Amino acid sequence: NAGVTQTPKFQVLKTGQSMTLQCAQDMNHNSMYWYRQDPGMGLRLIYYSASEGTTDKGEVPNGYNVSRLNKREFSLRLESAAPSQTSVYFCASSEGRNRAHGYTFGSGTRLTVV
Amino acid sequence: QKEVEQNSGPLSVPEGAIASLNCTYSDRGSQSFFWYRQYSGKSPELIMSIYSNGDKEDGRFTAQLNKASQYVSLLIRDSQPSDSATYLCAVNGGGYSTLTFGKGTMLLVSP
Repeated sequence: NAGVTQTPKFQVLKTGQSMTLQCAQDMNHNSMYWYRQDPGMGLRLIYYSASEGTTDKGEVPNGYNVSRLNKREFSLRLESAAPSQTSVYFCASSEGRNRAHGYTFGSGTRLTVV
Repeated sequence: QKEVEQNSGPLSVPEGAIASLNCTYSDRGSQSFFWYRQYSGKSPELIMSIYSNGDKEDGRFTAQLNKASQYVSLLIRDSQPSDSATYLCAVNGGGYSTLTFGKGTMLLVSP
């Protein structure tokens, strides 16, 4: 099993450009998440989808949008990239629902905005 | 604002020693607790979960939970250089809620 697959692995954007980070899981998980990780800040939740058809804001949603395309796929879009969005982005999934389950993370996308 | 606190380290231990990693959390209603290991440049990997007060052992790893003190710890016995990584504590509240992560403790195991 591939687990959680993220694309691309690396990306350099110019300020103002847009891009979509793709995430897919093959574990039949209900819940999916997008985190960013910055030095000294730890992992911070951007958006999550508790189940197919729902999305909710996390701690740092400004400047991002998400789409839960189907049960497998959850994409993150930067409409107008800013240098402050330079970060490592992780997608994760979990069984979700009533009891918390540990997350399975993708390998990450290292994004640089210049 | 739910908070999860960890000492950033680095925690340095010699090979073969016991490494003790600690975490405190602010939300008294938290019900699920996790430890992740993250090697430099890699993604976090789940190594332990604990839901009830007391100890839970898995191989060289033991997770300890004390809800009254809002404290969770991870013990690594017979530490190996390959255990050198950053260890993240993550906490989940009741019902459906997302994980809140600590900033992690860097562990260095010297041969």
